[in-house]
Amino acid sequence: AQSVTQPDIHITVSEGASLELRCNYSYGATPYLFWYVQSPGQGLQLLLKYFSGDTLVQGIKGFEAEFKRSQSSFNLRKPSVHWSDAAEYFCAVGPASYDKVIFGPGTSLSVIP
Amino acid sequence: ETGVTQTPRHLVMGMTNKKSLKCEQHLGHNAMYWYKQSAKKPLELMFVYNFKEQTENNSVPSRFSPECPNSSHLFLHLHTLQPEDSALYLCASSPSGRRGNTEAFFGQGTRLTVV
Repeated sequence: AQSVTQPDIHITVSEGASLELRCNYSYGATPYLFWYVQSPGQGLQLLLKYFSGDTLVQGIKGFEAEFKRSQSSFNLRKPSVHWSDAAEYFCAVGPASYDKVIFGPGTSLSVIP
Repeated sequence: ETGVTQTPRHLVMGMTNKKSLKCEQHLGHNAMYWYKQSAKKPLELMFVYNFKEQTENNSVPSRFSPECPNSSHLFLHLHTLQPEDSALYLCASSPSGRRGNTEAFFGQGTRLTVV
């Protein structure tokens, strides 16, 4: 069965520190992978996506993610966190048909000065 | 601004009321989606429309009734809801639900409270 896990429910980091959010998936074929961010009271915004090719993907707002097939992971990273990065982050995985994409439970990020 | 607009942003309704949520996209997309986001639960896909035809209904109770009159508009009609239906309802669109290399663009959501 397809599934997405985000092991960390909540993470707190200091502004300027590095960040890594974990995402693990269970999928029967090569997946399409996404990271979305949701600010309070807002919808989801796409940060980056992986479909094929280079396993290190660059996204918006200085985020990047690395697809590791052997570990079934797609972790999100940022070298220096800004206070405005405080939000909920969702990993998603699916086939070519977007209507089959499933979302992880989310990781809430807090940033302290 | 993602190009997907949802109205209203907030809605409080009684269990015997009938209301509708509206979603509009100006991106030229052919697929539209309704999601339910509840606290402490993953995002749940409710309905999918491709080229105005409903292609997915994930065991959603009949008190939720979608309508897609054209590729740009999507409605969710609500009636006799329960308090557990209180959630953030998100609309999304994508170029096509059946083609790869796409992603969905989300609206800001309607925060629904059932009292």
